This record gives sequence, C-alpha cells and structure tokens, in this order.
Amino acid sequence: AQTVTQSQPEMSVQEAETVTLSCTYDTSESDYYLFWYKQPPSRQMILVIRQEAYKQQNATENRFSVNFQKAAKSFSLKISDSQLGDAAMYFCAYRPSNNNAGNMLTFGGGTRLMVKP
Amino acid sequence: DGGITQSPKYLFRKEGQNVTLSCEQNLNHDAMYWYRQDPGQGLRLIYYSQIVNDFQKGDIAEGYSVSREKKESFPLTVTSAQKNPTAFYLCASSTNGAATGNTIYFGEGSWLTVV
Repeated sequence: AQTVTQSQPEMSVQEAETVTLSCTYDTSESDYYLFWYKQPPSRQMILVIRQEAYKQQNATENRFSVNFQKAAKSFSLKISDSQLGDAAMYFCAYRPSNNNAGNMLTFGGGTRLMVKP
Repeated sequence: DGGITQSPKYLFRKEGQNVTLSCEQNLNHDAMYWYRQDPGQGLRLIYYSQIVNDFQKGDIAEGYSVSREKKESFPLTVTSAQKNPTAFYLCASSTNGAATGNTIYFGEGSWLTVV
C-alpha cells in the first residue's frame, strides 16, 4: 500500500520570505501523480500544484514550485514571496496511474503553515 | 457555476440515529468520493464510485453506506454502527479514464457532531 509522510507538523515563515514543505512517499509503482492541496480555515481543499511522475521537469504555478526527486521518493513544495493568505494546512497527496486502484488519493498528515507579518 | 455542493454544512446526530450527507456535482464527472477528516489529521477515504450504480469501499467504510443512482449524486449515510462519527466530511469528484492523473475536486465539506 502507498503511504505519504509529511514530517513537519508545523512550519513558520516571515511574510515575503521563502518556505519549503517536505513530503515523502512510498510506492512500488513507476508511474503516478503527486499533488499539493491547501486547506485554509474554511476547510475547503484547494489544489495548489500537481506533478506527473513521468515528467522530469518540476511543476511551477506562480509562486509555488515543487522539487520532485523520483529516486528519493521526495516531493517538496516551495512557496516564494510568502503572503498572509498562504497560511493554511498543506497536504501532499499521491495517486496511482493504474485505474484499477480507483483513482484514489492517499494523503499525508498535513503541515500547518503560519505566516508572520 | 460548476462545482460540488455538500449539504448540510453542519449536522448534529443523536446516538443511535442514521444521518445522510448530500453531495451533488454538476461537473459531469464520472467518479465521486467521500473522505473523512478528523481534527489535525489528513483525509481518509470512506467510499468511492467510478460509475453510476457501482461503488467500492475505501479504507474506513465500516459504519457508512452510500448509493450512486445518478451520476450527479453520491449521498453518504452515517449509520448507528459508526461508533465515532464526529468529524468533517468531504465529498470529491473527478473524471475517469486511463489517464488517472485527473485532478480531484472537493466540495466545501460537512461537519457532523454527535450529541
């Protein structure tokens, strides 16, 4: 079974600075997808960024980028120029490419990010 | 607007009662999911459905039931057999197909509290 681990329960960053959230996963698959979701106090899950495992290039979405290390099974999220609105819980998630698995997402335990003004 | 609608936002259940959480989507997605989130924790899969009239158990299905009679709807019933139902419940949906990297989209969630 796949597992996703986020080793940082909480992180803090100064506004306008850069912060990196860690995520590791365990899988025997060679093809899969990885996601970062943001959950603000409203509790709605918002997709931040996604990465296809077959792509070597790291995904980027504006101030958000990932460092995908397939061999190390590591998928960290870098937030640049942090803003107060970035404060939230961040979840790393894994999804197999094999449709037999039911397209399910496996989530990590989350990292609470605090942004200091 | 397209999206996923969950209702009610807040629900209180007495001991021994069954309650049903509604989830409706107008995204024309084939697949729908129910996740449970306990305070300070990640999401755990309860049930999922890839097509109408078919659904599968997730990791924590005991004490829950679902139906998928229409593509747009995937209600979750929390039965009296669920001993610790107080939690936040999230419904989600996605397209299906061989390229399963399709993004999963979430509703705004429902809070269930046992009183």
